[in-house]
Amino acid sequence: TQLLEQSPQFLSIQEGENLTVYCNSSSVFSSLQWYRQEPGEGPVLLVTVVTGGEVKKLKRLTFQFGDARKDSSLHITAAQPGDTGLYLCAGADSNYQLIWGAGTKLIIKP
Amino acid sequence: NAGVTQTPKFRVLKTGQSMTLLCAQDMNHEYMYWYRQDPGMGLRLIHYSVGEGTTAKGEVPDGYNVSRLKKQNFLLGLESAAPSQTSVYFCASSYSFYPDPYEQYFGPGTRLTVT
Repeated sequence: TQLLEQSPQFLSIQEGENLTVYCNSSSVFSSLQWYRQEPGEGPVLLVTVVTGGEVKKLKRLTFQFGDARKDSSLHITAAQPGDTGLYLCAGADSNYQLIWGAGTKLIIKP
Repeated sequence: NAGVTQTPKFRVLKTGQSMTLLCAQDMNHEYMYWYRQDPGMGLRLIHYSVGEGTTAKGEVPDGYNVSRLKKQNFLLGLESAAPSQTSVYFCASSYSFYPDPYEQYFGPGTRLTVT
């Protein structure tokens, strides 16, 4: 069974600080997606990474896919209260399914 | 465009009752999914469909049934609700899954409590 472990589970920091959250697996995924979910809503896609070693930037968010395609990280620079939310990673398997991590709950305090 | 809509938004059931959750999408997507989300466990796939008239089991299908009679609709049924089915249910749709998964668009969720 493929599993994705996210760490930390919970992170509360001050506005302006930097942070990194991690998504790790012992399995190889063909691609990996990051979503953000706000309370009472469904997840919304932030990025898809496909190639081992790939780095993608979305304003202050930097996503990296591990060289072996088993892990990924999300780095936020100068966090803002608007970044608050649940960050979920999801890896693609061969059966039309995404394998989801449990998420990192991020709170940015003003 | 409404995107993905789900009805109802909230529901309380008694053990043994049945209900159907309705999901509708207006993006002409082939793929549709039903997930449940429980605290600390992320999203778990219940059933999915790769096109009109097709359905397949996901990770946690027991106790649920689905139907996709029309391309835009995906129904999730609970025949005899159990307290273990208390959860938030999300429907999602996507254009395709190959060669790499396209974005999954999610509905706002249905919060179900079974007493």
